[in-house]
Amino acid sequence: QQPVQSPQAVILREGEDAVINCSSSKALYSVHWYRQKHGEAPVFLMILLKGGEQKGHEKISASFNEKKQQSSLYLTASQLSYSGTYFCGTLALSGNTPLVFGKGTRLSVIA
Amino acid sequence: DVKVTQSSRYLVKRTGEKVFLECVQDMDHENMFWYRQDPGLGLRLIYFSYDVKMKEKGDIPEGYSVSREKKERFSLILESASTNQTSMYLCASKSATRSYEQYFGPGTRLTVT
Repeated sequence: QQPVQSPQAVILREGEDAVINCSSSKALYSVHWYRQKHGEAPVFLMILLKGGEQKGHEKISASFNEKKQQSSLYLTASQLSYSGTYFCGTLALSGNTPLVFGKGTRLSVIA
Repeated sequence: DVKVTQSSRYLVKRTGEKVFLECVQDMDHENMFWYRQDPGLGLRLIYFSYDVKMKEKGDIPEGYSVSREKKERFSLILESASTNQTSMYLCASKSATRSYEQYFGPGTRLTVT
């Protein structure tokens, strides 16, 4: 039931780009992205609703392909502050169920 | 600012003890959640509550119970702690109507010896 995230971990140099993917086997209403820095609580980044919206947050953007039940998070020109674990959370189209989180993708940005 | 607080950052308990983890939010949120976070497993939902006195099982409720007597407070109870319940526990809250965003507390790292 958990959405599948890939890759599990990625190491980038400052200025490089990265893509984190999230896919679900269920029909989705929305996909939510959170970032958790080391030793801190997860923090909401953005939500993508059914309809194929693309959202942006600083140099971080995301897309949602509702036909494939997939979302991708794009980090461009990465900064040291982007390091952390990124979680996608999915809300199913049917039923009154809460958000289900993936296992996370650990992103490390090095100088 | 929304604030979600948890009673302890670190807790050490012995096997068989009854453990209470408290979570308080100050934004009048209807929905509250308890997760456990383990390396490589992500955030797994233990229990959630859509409103006062309400509770629903999440994905891994075995060995846990919850209590929500007041809107701002959601308690997680380990009836008889076991070593496999050693974990980071995160509480979160969310408005039922105003926003999709979940606000997380700082977490409680529980060690059961």
